[in-house]
Amino acid sequence: AQSVTQPDIHITVSEGASLELRCNYSYGATPYLFWYVQSPGQGLQLLLKYFSGDTLVQGIKGFEAEFKRSQSSFNLRKPSVHWSDAAEYFCAVGPRSGTGKLIFGQGTTLQVKP
Amino acid sequence: DSGVTQTPKHLITATGQRVTLRCSPRSGDLSVYWYQQSLDQGLQFLIQYYNGEERAKGNILERFSAQQFPDLHSELNLSSLELGDSALYFCASSVGLGGAGETQYFGPGTRLLVL
Repeated sequence: AQSVTQPDIHITVSEGASLELRCNYSYGATPYLFWYVQSPGQGLQLLLKYFSGDTLVQGIKGFEAEFKRSQSSFNLRKPSVHWSDAAEYFCAVGPRSGTGKLIFGQGTTLQVKP
Repeated sequence: DSGVTQTPKHLITATGQRVTLRCSPRSGDLSVYWYQQSLDQGLQFLIQYYNGEERAKGNILERFSAQQFPDLHSELNLSSLELGDSALYFCASSVGLGGAGETQYFGPGTRLLVL
């Protein structure tokens, strides 16, 4: 079955500290992988995506993610968290062709301490 | 601002009623997607339309239906509403068929509360 698992429901980090949000997926073939962010009262905004090539992808707002095929993981990282990064983060997988059906993880809520 | 608009922003209704949620995609986008975000189910894909035709279906209840009009806006119709239908409903759009890493742009959502 196709699924995405985000093991951490809630994470709290101090401002300026580094961040890593975990994502594991189960999919029939190598999917496209995405990270979206949802700020309170807002829709989802794409942070970055992976489809091929370099396994370390750079995104907006200083985020990056690393695809590890052997671990079926696509973890999101940021070297130094800002208070404005507090939001809910979703990992998603999508097919290589045909449709745009995305499968989302349950999300990780990030709280940033001053 | 993603360029995707959804109306209304909030909707409060009673069980058994029927509501219509509206979505206007970004200019030039041919695909529209509907997603449901609820506390117990998380964010789930409901249905995709491409240039007026249904393209993909997810866990959409039979009480729910959608369509995409010639001007490419889309409507999601929810009928015989139940308490469990209370959720945030997102619309997203993309340029093409989706897949191949195509970016989906999400609207702000419609929050539905069924009492």
